[in-house]
Amino acid sequence: EIVLTQSPATLSLSPGERATLSCRASQSVSSYLAWYQQKPGQAPRLLIYDASNRATGIPARFSGSGSGTDFTLTISSLEPEDFAVYYCQQRSNWLFSFGGGTKVEIK
Amino acid sequence: QLQLQESGPGLVKPSETLSLTCTVSGGSISSSSYYWGWIRQPPGKGLEWIGSIYYSGSTYYNPSLKSRVTISVDTSKNQFSLKLSSVTAADTAVYYCARVPQLRHFDYWGQGTLVTVSS
Repeated sequence: EIVLTQSPATLSLSPGERATLSCRASQSVSSYLAWYQQKPGQAPRLLIYDASNRATGIPARFSGSGSGTDFTLTISSLEPEDFAVYYCQQRSNWLFSFGGGTKVEIK
Repeated sequence: QLQLQESGPGLVKPSETLSLTCTVSGGSISSSSYYWGWIRQPPGKGLEWIGSIYYSGSTYYNPSLKSRVTISVDTSKNQFSLKLSSVTAADTAVYYCARVPQLRHFDYWGQGTLVTVSS
């Protein structure tokens, strides 16, 4: 089973600042890595798939990078609506797992 | 616009079987390249993949739940379903259904339904 470790657990930033979220896999997942945003009481929303492709309708301030075991989600300039929990997700050998999440909170 | 909607009992007794259905509208569950999946989230915790199914009936399950999970599909009703047997309080969670393009990620999600396991 592949374990995804997200860091930091909490990121305290101000609107307009840059956010950098990390996701590390216990073994290579190639580029099968996705990122989701979840707000309280809502279903997760797909942001990035295949490590670096933005999903439909996702603003350009969201970008993903990485391959193998180390991945990054960057939000170039935080908007008020970006404060939420972010999860990474991998697929390997037809099985899925999620990271524990990073909460981006207002400083 | 594709929509998914979970339905089923919100309360299940311990040791019984949890049963949920996901109804897909705005698209066909028989579309090629798309799998369909279930994910759950205990209150205040993270996401856990339960399993995925293709319209042909091919399934993949989370190894940690495999012995208790059955996912099935009914193409005539454009629905797929989840059964989780021998539930305990640890199975209390919001259960989501989602579309899984090329079995890689989850692009459309239902709103989720809270299932509580309690006597």
